[in-house]
Amino acid sequence: EAQVTQNPRYLITVTGKKLTVTCSQNMNHEYMSWYRQDPGLGLRQIYYSMNVEVTDKGDVPEGYKVSRKEKRNFPLILESPSPNQTSLYFCASSNRLDQPQHFGDGTRLSIL
Amino acid sequence: SQQGEEDPQALSIQEGENATMNCSYKTSINNLQWYRQNSGRGLVHLILIRSNEREKHSGRLRVTLDTSKKSSSLLITASRAADTASYFCATRNNAGNMLTFGGGTRLMVKP
Repeated sequence: EAQVTQNPRYLITVTGKKLTVTCSQNMNHEYMSWYRQDPGLGLRQIYYSMNVEVTDKGDVPEGYKVSRKEKRNFPLILESPSPNQTSLYFCASSNRLDQPQHFGDGTRLSIL
Repeated sequence: SQQGEEDPQALSIQEGENATMNCSYKTSINNLQWYRQNSGRGLVHLILIRSNEREKHSGRLRVTLDTSKKSSSLLITASRAADTASYFCATRNNAGNMLTFGGGTRLMVKP
């Protein structure tokens, strides 16, 4: 089954404790991206990747890092999480830039 | 920055009625996409309309695009309770590297 898998689905942690949210897709998609969703703000793009070893900033990249060492994986790294990064995070992928995105089920992060 | 703005923010209708949601955007686009999100879940793609298209249909969905007004509308005909969800428009820029979402419309269809 074609899917985008995020882990963990839920995480409560404390300020400053590094964390990684993994994202994996099994569709051989080139394009992958991360979004955060906050009430009233819709989804905002954090980072995107157009292929292996090619990443770029989205609208709200501050406080986040990503890597794309393999085509299928696109982890989101919070080196020193802060409470304002409490949010619902989505990973998405697509075959080409002009194609629809396939979304994961989301990761709800709470930073205390 | 938020490219798309949906209108209304919330919509409540009876089963069987039609639901219309509107989206406005600010800059030129490659395509515009509509997504649906059930509470707390990932987004599901509904329909994509390219900048050179004016209307597309998919089942009970009808999407229009007016690039001169920088606006789009999503019509759901003969709505069902299962259509209850949030609906988002998203615009792809001409470079193709960014997909920018609006704030969404929360649709409630009462049985």
